[in-house]
Amino acid sequence: ETGVTQTPRHLVMGMTNKKSLKCEQHLGHNAMYWYKQSAKKPLELMFVYSLEERVENNSVPSRFSPECPNSSHLFLHLHTLQPEDSALYLCASSQARGQSNEQFFGPGTRLTVL
Amino acid sequence: AQSVAQPEDQVNVAEGNPLTVKCTYSVSGNPYLFWYVQYPNRGLQFLLKYITGDNLVKGSYGFEAEFNKSQTSFHLKKPSALVSDSALYFCAVRDMVNDMRFGAGTRLTVKP
Repeated sequence: ETGVTQTPRHLVMGMTNKKSLKCEQHLGHNAMYWYKQSAKKPLELMFVYSLEERVENNSVPSRFSPECPNSSHLFLHLHTLQPEDSALYLCASSQARGQSNEQFFGPGTRLTVL
Repeated sequence: AQSVAQPEDQVNVAEGNPLTVKCTYSVSGNPYLFWYVQYPNRGLQFLLKYITGDNLVKGSYGFEAEFNKSQTSFHLKKPSALVSDSALYFCAVRDMVNDMRFGAGTRLTVKP
């Protein structure tokens, strides 16, 4: 399960902090995704990048800012978060953004906002 | 718009018995259907998918799923459950236009 890695695995931050989540995929994929997973709720798709271009932004608050410097790396920059932003943040990648492509997930970053 | 429903929050089965985890969907046009499993402190792992062709799809770890177009269902099945199958299972659907949409998940517990 080393195809998609995420760091850190756990993060505790105050509402005024700035932090970044990192994702790296070693699969040669062209599409990358950020999801938010909260207890007893469906996964929420936050951002999609295809060939390093952002193609989806599902009404995510501006306190979340993604960055995709190349096809292997994806970041999620966090700034002035709220306690309700506490969740598991999952990164995923797929061969392409096409309909038949399954996604491969990293282990996630467990974020706690105090 | 596309949607997916997993009507059971929790499924309990005894080891060795068959298991079924239910999923129904709604899409415009032909669906692309997926099942994922999530073990504690891990990301989601892909199990199987239906794109086209045979309605019975076989996947990892002995799991299979049957696409039923008339009932808009894609239930996950395994003939003989193992304790190690205990995990959180997610059904997902997408269509030609929208990105993947996941269900809320079903927690499967297999008891010895």
